[in-house]
Amino acid sequence: DAGITQSPRHKVTETGTPVTLRCHQTENHRYMYWYRQDPGHGLRLIHYSYGVKDTDKGEVSDGYSVSRSKTEDFLLTLESATSSQTSVYFCAISESIVTGRTDTQYFGPGTRLTVL
Amino acid sequence: SQQGEEDPQALSIQEGENATMNCSYKTSINNLQWYRQNSGRGLVHLILIRSNEREKHSGRLRVTLDTSKKSSSLLITASRAADTASYFCATDKVKGGSEKLVFGKGTKLTVNP
Repeated sequence: DAGITQSPRHKVTETGTPVTLRCHQTENHRYMYWYRQDPGHGLRLIHYSYGVKDTDKGEVSDGYSVSRSKTEDFLLTLESATSSQTSVYFCAISESIVTGRTDTQYFGPGTRLTVL
Repeated sequence: SQQGEEDPQALSIQEGENATMNCSYKTSINNLQWYRQNSGRGLVHLILIRSNEREKHSGRLRVTLDTSKKSSSLLITASRAADTASYFCATDKVKGGSEKLVFGKGTKLTVNP
C-alpha cells in the first residue's frame, strides 16, 4: 500500500446519490487504475489513466466516470449510485518501464462502498 | 471477459505442505503475474514471468509458464499459516491494451497450523 491512499475507506450511501472516490499516489507513476472486486467475479477494470487528462474505459465502465487533473490524483465518480455498484473498489498504479508493456501494479488499501 | 482463470477455486492444506495453483489464459501475452491478497487488503505483487521465460523462482515461490498450453502454475513450498490468502494471476495482451492487466477470479488458499 506504500505510496497509495484511497479515500474514503468506507462509505454507505443511498441509491441515486452521487459518490466520488479518490486515489492519491506519491510515486509519480504514469498509469492509474480503478477496479472493483465482487465475489465470484474477481477484479474487474472500470477505467484507467495513462497520463494527466488521458483516460480510457475498462471492462465495466457503465455508470462510472473518472478524472485526472494531476499526476497524483485519480477520481472515480458514480453519478447516480445504484445497489449494483455496492462493491470494494481498488486503485492501482504502475510505471511501464518498456513502452507498451505493463509491469507490476501496486494497489491501494481499497474502499468499501455500500449503496442502500 | 476473463483472460486468466485460476484452478482450484479453493485449496486447504496443512502447514509445511506444498501448495500448487494453476492459471489458464486465452490469448497471447507479454507477461503473466501472480498477486496475493490477504483478507480485507489490497493485492500485492508476488512475481512476474515473461513470455520467453519458462520458470522463475522467488524465495519459496516457483512459477512456471507454458505458452504452448497457455497456462501457468504457482508453487508455494513449505507453506506457513501466514500464506493463507487469495492468489490471483494476471495477464496482459500482446495486441491492443497491453498496458492493462486482466485478473482471474483467484484461488483461496487456507494453510492450517
